[in-house]
Amino acid sequence: DADVTQTPRNRITKTGKRIMLECSQTKGHDRMYWYRQDPGLGLRLIYYSFDVKDINKGEISDGYSVSRQAQAKFSLSLESAIPNQTALYFCATSESGSFNEQFFGPGTRLTVL
Amino acid sequence: AQSVAQPEDQVNVAEGNPLTVKCTYSVSGNPYLFWYVQYPNRGLQFLLKYITGDNLVKGSYGFEAEFNKSQTSFHLKKPSALVSDSALYFCAVQNTGGFKTIFGAGTRLFVKA
Repeated sequence: DADVTQTPRNRITKTGKRIMLECSQTKGHDRMYWYRQDPGLGLRLIYYSFDVKDINKGEISDGYSVSRQAQAKFSLSLESAIPNQTALYFCATSESGSFNEQFFGPGTRLTVL
Repeated sequence: AQSVAQPEDQVNVAEGNPLTVKCTYSVSGNPYLFWYVQYPNRGLQFLLKYITGDNLVKGSYGFEAEFNKSQTSFHLKKPSALVSDSALYFCAVQNTGGFKTIFGAGTRLFVKA
C-alpha cells in the first residue's frame, strides 16, 4: 500500500552491525506499529506508538529500539544484529481508538549473516 | 490472555468451489475479530472485521466471515473461489482499546484452476 512505505525493502547485514529500518505514512494516523513475521509464527508485535510522545514495548522488544520522529515517521533499530533477527519486518498504522483495522507497509526482508 | 488459532496450515480448493478458512479464538470479554490477506511480496491487507451485531460479516473481494460465539470461531468463507484468491490469510483478535492485536499463524490458500 503506497500510503505506508518502508525502506529498505531488502537488507543483508552481518552479525554485530547496527541496522535501521524506516517507515513513513501519509494516512495521517496517530498510531504506528512494528511487527516481525516468521514462517509459522504469524506476526509478532515489537513496538507500538500512539503518538509522537508515546512509545510502548510489544511482546518481543528485546534487541530492538524505536524512534518516532514525527507523526508520519517511525523507525526501528537493531543495535547489534544477530542471526535470529533474520525475518520479514512490517510497519503498520491505524486510526486512534478501538476496533480499527491496521494498514501495512510492503515489508523489509532482513537477513543477518 | 487472548489467542487465535488457525488449525490448517494450508487449504486447497478448486476454482469455482466454496472455500472456508478456519479460525478459533480465546478472549476474556467481547471479541473483536479481523481477517487480513497477504499476497506475495506485499504487506497484509484488511478484509473484514467483527465488532458486534450480525454474525455474518461481509468484506472485500466477495469474502465473508461467520462469527459463532458458542464455538468461539470466526471462519472466513467465499461462495466461489478464484485462482487470484491464492494467498496467505491471517485471523486476528484485538483487545479493548485497540493497542494490541494478536495474529494467528496464517493459513495458505491454494486455488487450482
